[in-house]
Amino acid sequence: GEDVEQSLFLSVREGDSSVINCTYTDSSSTYLYWYKQEPGAGLQLLTYIFSNMDMKQDQRLTVLLNKKDKHLSLRIADTQTGDSAIYFCAEWGGGSYIPTFGRGTSLIVHP
Amino acid sequence: ETGVTQTPRHLVMGMTNKKSLKCEQHLGHNAMYWYKQSAKKPLELMFVYNFKEQTENNSVPSRFSPECPNSSHLFLHLHTLQPEDSALYLCASSQQGAQGEAFFGQGTRLTVV
Repeated sequence: GEDVEQSLFLSVREGDSSVINCTYTDSSSTYLYWYKQEPGAGLQLLTYIFSNMDMKQDQRLTVLLNKKDKHLSLRIADTQTGDSAIYFCAEWGGGSYIPTFGRGTSLIVHP
Repeated sequence: ETGVTQTPRHLVMGMTNKKSLKCEQHLGHNAMYWYKQSAKKPLELMFVYNFKEQTENNSVPSRFSPECPNSSHLFLHLHTLQPEDSALYLCASSQQGAQGEAFFGQGTRLTVV
């Protein structure tokens, strides 16, 4: 079945860039998403990319997609303490109406 | 505010109680989902309703019983739960056939004592 893999933890210093990586197996994925979950809250959609794109930029966020390697990354520029959260990668498509989520990457931003 | 509202936000229940979780969306979506999120475990899909019909049941124990009376409301009825059922229960909705991203509620933090 489909699988989405992420590293579990990332620690960065405030002001640095963060890069969160994700790999997926479903080559028919149409949409790929990044969600953010703050403590005690639900998942909030951060950004998405269509499978026919290789990059998308949205303010401090840059999403890179390498379809050949089935690799997705989220870069957060000038990371702030408010960016500390769990980031989930998700893929959707291939005729399925059920998104597949990764386990989430806990981003810890320290001063 | 995502347009998906879950109530209650917190719930403590005994193992012999019966309670229900409620989810409501006013986004005009036609698919709704229940997920379970436990500490140190992946997000687990429990149930999916597509056009009010249950289309997925991921081997969820019968002590969890979903109900979808219309496309805007989704319930999760709970009875005789176990302490290991304590978790954050998340509801989501999406529009099938469109871009399809899922919008999540804030979740219900359930503690079974």
